[in-house]
Amino acid sequence: GAGVSQSPRYKVAKRGQDVALRCDPISGHVSLFWYQQALGQGPEFLTYFQNEAQLDKSGLPSDRFFAERPEGSVSTLKIQRTQQEDSAVYLCASSLRTANSNQPQHFGDGTRLSIL
Amino acid sequence: QKEVEQNSGPLSVPEGAIASLNCTYSDRGSQSFFWYRQYSGKSPELIMSIYSNGDKEDGRFTAQLNKASQYVSLLIRDSQPSDSATYLCAPGMDSSYKLIFGSGTRLLVRP
Repeated sequence: GAGVSQSPRYKVAKRGQDVALRCDPISGHVSLFWYQQALGQGPEFLTYFQNEAQLDKSGLPSDRFFAERPEGSVSTLKIQRTQQEDSAVYLCASSLRTANSNQPQHFGDGTRLSIL
Repeated sequence: QKEVEQNSGPLSVPEGAIASLNCTYSDRGSQSFFWYRQYSGKSPELIMSIYSNGDKEDGRFTAQLNKASQYVSLLIRDSQPSDSATYLCAPGMDSSYKLIFGSGTRLLVRP
């Protein structure tokens, strides 16, 4: 497709359940990012992949959060034993080349996660 | 002090006016600056990038950067109701790929 695609668009889960969020980056994009956006706030960095390598996971809030990109294209963000504070929009972004500070990132529409 | 500061607004301007959105940042090492527009329930959309001090114009949009003052702004000329959205400022931090976003300024353009 032409843009970054995320699924599902909406996810409702009960506290304690595990969830998996999917991101299809723009074809050929080397870099992939996950962000978390709380209501009324800007996106906050979670993790970064260069191809299949996870080079930075410093933004992941806890060890319940896990991300992978095994073949260097599609990525999955998994949250185990979900808590209410995990409720947010999870955004995926990709950029064409190896990320540096001048690379524009292109965002998907996000997955809105609600934990009951 | 937050790393990126933006007035949350809403900034309300009449149609046809100039909207001025401001952003200050704390990291003097920031080399690149991006403005994203985000409609409610939608993803952030890149509208401007600027890397050097001074002005950069693209259509109705002008980005202004002053690294000495750690200040970046976005001007929208001839504002349209379709410009009503939240505008996010995101400096690219020194030697880093991470974008640090401000909380955004909500712009309302009154018909």
